[in-house]
Amino acid sequence: DAGITQSPRHKVTETGTPVTLRCHQTENHRYMYWYRQDPGHGLRLIHYSYGVKDTDKGEVSDGYSVSRSKTEDFLLTLESATSSQTSVYFCAISESQFSEAFFGQGTRLTVV
Amino acid sequence: AQSVAQPEDQVNVAEGNPLTVKCTYSVSGNPYLFWYVQYPNRGLQFLLKYITGDNLVKGSYGFEAEFNKSQTSFHLKKPSALVSDSALYFCAVNDRGSTLGRLYFGRGTQLTVWP
Repeated sequence: DAGITQSPRHKVTETGTPVTLRCHQTENHRYMYWYRQDPGHGLRLIHYSYGVKDTDKGEVSDGYSVSRSKTEDFLLTLESATSSQTSVYFCAISESQFSEAFFGQGTRLTVV
Repeated sequence: AQSVAQPEDQVNVAEGNPLTVKCTYSVSGNPYLFWYVQYPNRGLQFLLKYITGDNLVKGSYGFEAEFNKSQTSFHLKKPSALVSDSALYFCAVNDRGSTLGRLYFGRGTQLTVWP
């Protein structure tokens, strides 16, 4: 399996609190992605990174920010968590645009 | 804008029968196309990809997919389904004309193979 680790794996948080999810890779891949998975919506791209300090928005970026200060780490922050952000979050990595992406095991986030 | 459509939320087939999971796409340039599978409570696993060349792509676990440029489709197929193929399948597209590497997924198709 590709070396990609998400933490935490499960989290329950209260509305209005900030939350940071971490994605760590040991593959030295250039591209990193954050997705959320919700029933009926499939996987929706939140943010992605195409290099250190190079990030861009995806389809559903409102309420989320990201940072990538090192190749191996890609952080997703919910600035002020809302119930609509209850979801399963997946991180993925890819060596290039035409390479397959490898996915982490996911983080189940519940906002109460 | 890029998009991927999987027109069927669910596909049901009997074990031993052929299966097809449909995918159509829309990109501004030429596509890189991928299929992934997700088992319950797991992350997505790569099955196969089309980058260029032969329109029929073979992948893991006996799956294959056919790229059809005129119909902008990339349907996943398997000649003989197994119960263990039951899972959630995702089609994904990346626009080779873009240097930014956005990777977009369809909504997924739940495949159920009956014994």
